Amino acid sequence: GAVVSQHPSWVICKSGTSVKIECRSLDFQATTMFWYRQFPKQSLMLMATSNEGSKATYEQGVEKDKFLINHASLTLSTLTVTSAHPEDSSFYICSAASVSGSDYEQYFGPGTRLTVT
Amino acid sequence: GQNIDQPTEMTATEGAIVQINCTYQTSGFNGLFWYQQHAGEAPTFLSYNVLDGLEEKGRFSSFLSRSKGYSYLLLKELQMKDSASYLCAVVDSNYQLIWGAGTKLIIKP
Repeated sequence: GAVVSQHPSWVICKSGTSVKIECRSLDFQATTMFWYRQFPKQSLMLMATSNEGSKATYEQGVEKDKFLINHASLTLSTLTVTSAHPEDSSFYICSAASVSGSDYEQYFGPGTRLTVT
Repeated sequence: GQNIDQPTEMTATEGAIVQINCTYQTSGFNGLFWYQQHAGEAPTFLSYNVLDGLEEKGRFSSFLSRSKGYSYLLLKELQMKDSASYLCAVVDSNYQLIWGAGTKLIIKP
């Protein structure tokens, strides 16, 4: 299967600062990238869906001005958590998808653990 | 290296039972998730196992053996809507999620 990487794998930041998380699809072109967050022992929660070159579509309840998503190319998407607060501490996972006709492939990154102090 | 193995594809009949296996080799273990994902949709949580044994939740059950690095997801009374991909994911010692490639389950009438 394809490889999706995330950087950093973990980050600790102070309250009020911003953190950028990168998601890269290493060996295929992702037409769509998804960003999820996951709290311990809970399900993945979809935050937003982004298509290359377009604005991201945010799920209800997710603040688009707080979680900035940029999908600049078919291999890179970034999530910036602005003015982070302790309640933003979570596991953020990206997923890269490729849709071609009736074929659909989706691969998950390893996740980024964010701790806001 | 870290590795999660699950079958690529399985086919079963409506009303029957199917078992999807997952074996893992990871640096540490802090739990194992099973997710269901329909094409074009976000994965949905099915189960989380951190202790050995079987956990039953309606038509779905999940089993874990940490000593064998093995888990399975058991689906009973299969319905057409169960046609989906089933993802196995292990939380390693660094609390990173190690994902399997997913098992595509096809249900036939």
